[in-house]
Amino acid sequence: GDSVTQMEGPVTLSEEAFLTINCTYTATGYPSLFWYVQYPGEGLQLLLKATKADDKGSNKGFEATYRKETTSFHLEKGSVQVSDSAVYFCALTPRAAGNKLTFGGGTRVLVKP
Amino acid sequence: DGGITQSPKYLFRKEGQNVTLSCEQNLNHDAMYWYRQDPGQGLRLIYYSQIVNDFQKGDIAEGYSVSREKKESFPLTVTSAQKNPTAFYLCASSIYREAPEAFFGQGTRLTVV
Repeated sequence: GDSVTQMEGPVTLSEEAFLTINCTYTATGYPSLFWYVQYPGEGLQLLLKATKADDKGSNKGFEATYRKETTSFHLEKGSVQVSDSAVYFCALTPRAAGNKLTFGGGTRVLVKP
Repeated sequence: DGGITQSPKYLFRKEGQNVTLSCEQNLNHDAMYWYRQDPGQGLRLIYYSQIVNDFQKGDIAEGYSVSREKKESFPLTVTSAQKNPTAFYLCASSIYREAPEAFFGQGTRLTVV
């Protein structure tokens, strides 16, 4: 079945540092890929997405590129802020309609001033 | 504003009791989902529904039940058969089309006392 593997946290950074969170997936066909963010005590918010190979999703300074050859969708941000402290989830959904999301285990990021 | 509303935000249940978590959406989405999140872990799918009056089991459906009598509503009942119900429950919805992103509610934290 489909699966998503992302690096375990917590990841602790200083403000303005570079952030990378690795995400790899296993799926049949060509799924759509997503990054979601969860702030403490809240639900998940869509951060960015990519629907086909070589697409780059971007939002709020975060970027991720759909790499079919390495089945990866790593999340990056060039200069993090304290407000970026959250849990980040990589997810996929198969291309066919009506399919549900499969999530990775989440990566907690803590940015210190 | 359109969105997904989960209630209550916090819920306490005595052992042996059934409880129902509410999820309502006004996004006109066809599909709705229930996920369970345990501390430090990813999301696991409990049940999902793609159309009214139809739903399917997810990966961890045992001890839970749902109904989908209206497009806007997808309540989740945690029954006494669920051995370890203390968790954070998230409801989501999406358009029924190829590779949609899901929109999440703010979650309900259920604690067994």
